Amino acid sequence: DTEVTQTPKHLVMGMTNKKSLKCEQHMGHRAMYWYKQKAKKPPELMFVYSYEKLSINESVPSRFSPECPNSSLLNLHLHALQPEDSALYLCASSQVYTENYGYTFGSGTRLTVV
Amino acid sequence: KNEVEQSPQNLTAQEGEFITINCSYSVGISALHWLQQHPGGGIVSLFMLSSGKKKHGRLIATINIQEKHSSLHITASHPRDSAVYICAVNKGAQKLVFGQGTRLTINP
Repeated sequence: DTEVTQTPKHLVMGMTNKKSLKCEQHMGHRAMYWYKQKAKKPPELMFVYSYEKLSINESVPSRFSPECPNSSLLNLHLHALQPEDSALYLCASSQVYTENYGYTFGSGTRLTVV
Repeated sequence: KNEVEQSPQNLTAQEGEFITINCSYSVGISALHWLQQHPGGGIVSLFMLSSGKKKHGRLIATINIQEKHSSLHITASHPRDSAVYICAVNKGAQKLVFGQGTRLTINP
C-alpha cells in the first residue's frame, strides 16, 4: 500500500458544526502532515506529527485541533470554523528524516464552510 | 522575494512540444521536490533530487546545487500533462517551502 487516504473527499459544514477530517497511511511513515491550500496558491503547512507527537504547529487557530491516535492515522478536528477556512486540506506522510525520502500526499478534502 | 521562485507562472503549448519549467531557490536545502497537481486534486510527487539528474518516462528533472537551480522537462508533451507543477525544497527537518507553481496547459 503506497497511498495516503483522506476522507471525506468533500465536506460542507456550518460555522457552528463540529466535524473531523481523517487521513490514513500504511507505509510505515512516522511523520504525518496537514496542509491547507487555497485556490491557485501553494499549500501552507499547518501541523507536523513525528512519532505520533506534535512537532510543528504553524500558529494555527485553535478551531483546528489535530490528533494522531496511532502511527497510521491522523485526524483534524474542526469546530466553529469561518467561511475563510474553506479550502482544500491535504494530508501527507514521509519518513521522519526526509533528506533522502520523498513525501506521499493524499487527494485532499475539499472543505466548504457556510 | 520568495525563497523558491518558479518560471514561467503559466505556460501553454501544443501537443508534442518540449516543455521546460524552471525553479530557483535562495536557501540552503537538503532536497528539492517536483510535484504535480491536477485541477481540484491531490498532489503527486514526481521527483526528489539532491544532485544531478533523474528521468521517469517522459519527465526529466535536473538540479545544479551550486547555482541553486532546478529544471523539469517534459518531452513529447500530451494534453494529459496539463496540470500545475510545483517546485518545493526541504528547508530543515520536515518543512517544505513551496514555489507558486507553474500552470501548464497542453492543447491537442
